[in-house]
Amino acid sequence: GNSVTQMEGPVTLSEEAFLTINCTYTATGCPSLFWYVQYPGEGLQLLLKATKADDKGSNKGFEATYRKETTSFHLEKGSVQVSDSAVYFCAPHTSGAGSYQLTFGKGTKLSVIP
Amino acid sequence: DVKVTQSSRYLVKRTGEKVFLECVQDMDHENMFWYRQDPGLGLRLIYFSYDVKMKEKGDIPEGYSVSREKKERFSLILESASTNQTSMYLCASTPWGGQSSPLHFGNGTRLTVT
Repeated sequence: GNSVTQMEGPVTLSEEAFLTINCTYTATGCPSLFWYVQYPGEGLQLLLKATKADDKGSNKGFEATYRKETTSFHLEKGSVQVSDSAVYFCAPHTSGAGSYQLTFGKGTKLSVIP
Repeated sequence: DVKVTQSSRYLVKRTGEKVFLECVQDMDHENMFWYRQDPGLGLRLIYFSYDVKMKEKGDIPEGYSVSREKKERFSLILESASTNQTSMYLCASTPWGGQSSPLHFGNGTRLTVT
């Protein structure tokens, strides 16, 4: 099955700092790769995705590039804001023969201080 | 926008009670999922369903059952609640679009078993 190694948190940054959250995965075949974000008191929501090698997903200033050769999908943002404080989950998804492998990392908690 | 609604945000139940957690989605998605979320363990899949009356065990099905009588509704049942089932429960759905479709999550039900 799939597995995910995600940067352990918590991560605390000052506003406008650069953010990287590392994610590497193992998966059968060619997974689609997702980052989900969970704001306090809410469920997870899609932040960005990439469905094939070398694709770059982006949203709300966040970016991640599907690196097949290193099996990585690191999340980056050039200048974080207080409103980015949340928990971030890396997730490779594969499917086939009527089944799904929907794996999630353990989450990285980000706190941004003014 | 897809909406996934979980009937309760907070529940407190006693050990041995039978507990029902309800989830409804409004976008005609074929696939529905139940996860539990615990600190340090991330998200773990309990059960999923890819069609009405169909169900598949996830990684941690013990102590749980599910029901899907209508396409839009997916219920999680704790047959005899125990304190180790105190957790955040998340419902999610996705269309039958293969691995490139993200999951849409509800806001979660925080269950406490005393």
